[in-house]
Amino acid sequence: ETGVTQSPTHLIKTRGQQVTLRCSSQSGHNTVSWYQQALGQGPQFIFQYYREEENGRGNFPPRFSGLQFPNYSSELNVNALELDDSALYLCASSFRRLAGHNEQFFGPGTRLTVL
Amino acid sequence: QQQVKQSPQSLIVQKGGISIINCAYENTAFDYFPWYQQFPGKGPALLIAIRPDVSEKKEGRFTISFNKSAKQFSLHIMDSQPGDSATYFCAASTGNQFYFGTGTSLTVIP
Repeated sequence: ETGVTQSPTHLIKTRGQQVTLRCSSQSGHNTVSWYQQALGQGPQFIFQYYREEENGRGNFPPRFSGLQFPNYSSELNVNALELDDSALYLCASSFRRLAGHNEQFFGPGTRLTVL
Repeated sequence: QQQVKQSPQSLIVQKGGISIINCAYENTAFDYFPWYQQFPGKGPALLIAIRPDVSEKKEGRFTISFNKSAKQFSLHIMDSQPGDSATYFCAASTGNQFYFGTGTSLTVIP
């Protein structure tokens, strides 16, 4: 069973640029959530994708957008990068059931630095 | 507004001691309370989780105590080991959104 993988591991961008982060879900999982983890803080929920549609969003502006593909992999896109976007971006996959909570499995994250 | 408040920020415990981390929440709609362990350079990993209809759950050396009326829950690590040194996050969830605490950095001294 393959775990959640993310690419790239590290990324350096300048303010105003755009970035795309990628996530491959764990085998058998159909839901992907993205989180932003600032240094010394807990993960903050950005959004979740289920069946290729956004299924819940946290308090993040529209310049944060995403995609989920038929193979359940996902992308996080951030436009017009700001210095405060510097953080660890985590992807978590899960299998959505009809009822009950679904255990999330996190990837190792992508460390984004905005200069 | 922080949905889940976690304390302490850091904790130092002797090997064999008990580590206790506390969390509090306000939203009574939360119905799932997991704890995650995170090592440097890694993503969080689920340690143990509890639902509000249970007051305590134990898995090995890890125990969650849950007080629904006080809207508080805590993680107890018995017989703490140096390998337990990591950052621990509590979280609370309703539906598909998870709200994390700010984390506790645990150091277990040999």
